[in-house]
Amino acid sequence: EIVLTQSPGTLSLSPGERGTLSCRASQSVSSYLAWYQQKPGQAPRLLIYSASSRATGIPDRFSGSGSGTDFTLSISRLEPEDFAVYYCQQYGSSPPSFGGGTKVEIK
Amino acid sequence: QVQLVQSGAEMKKPGASVKVSCKASGYTFTGYYMNWVRQAPGQGLEWMGWINPDSGATHYVQNFRGRVTMTRDTSITTAYMELSRLRSDDTAMYYCARGNYDVWTGYYYLFDSWGQGTLVTVSS
Repeated sequence: EIVLTQSPGTLSLSPGERGTLSCRASQSVSSYLAWYQQKPGQAPRLLIYSASSRATGIPDRFSGSGSGTDFTLSISRLEPEDFAVYYCQQYGSSPPSFGGGTKVEIK
Repeated sequence: QVQLVQSGAEMKKPGASVKVSCKASGYTFTGYYMNWVRQAPGQGLEWMGWINPDSGATHYVQNFRGRVTMTRDTSITTAYMELSRLRSDDTAMYYCARGNYDVWTGYYYLFDSWGQGTLVTVSS
């Protein structure tokens, strides 16, 4: 099973700031990496797939990059609704696996 | 639009079974695998397995084999996940998630739509 490690565990930022979240895989996942956003009391929502493609309806302030084992999710200017937990997931091998999450909180 | 609507919260005693439903609409039900993912309180996401709604074939993660059964009823576009011999550490939110197909890997593990979740509480 591929293990995904996300860092930092918590990111404290102010609205308008840029956020950078990291996800590292224990072995190459090529570009089969997705990012999800989860707000309290809600189901996860797909943000990014194929490491860098935005899902339908996702604002362009969200961007993804990376391939192989190292990936980044960037949020260019944090809006109040962006404060949430973010998970990365690899979907190129079985079983699919998720990172432990990064909580983006208001500073 | 794609919608996955799950059944309501359940409270069960240890050793009992629970069956969660996931009603799909807005797309061809048999065209996408349905996956189940659970999340213990304050914890991360754990994939449990999938069902192919077209054939009924299933695949379960090792941790749940022997305790989980995934089924579907194509006439009402509904998928089900039944977990037996419940323990207190099965207390979690259970999600169904539609799996999008990747032509290169052959997997349906990109979860593009999720149900709202069903909270299962196991307590004596």
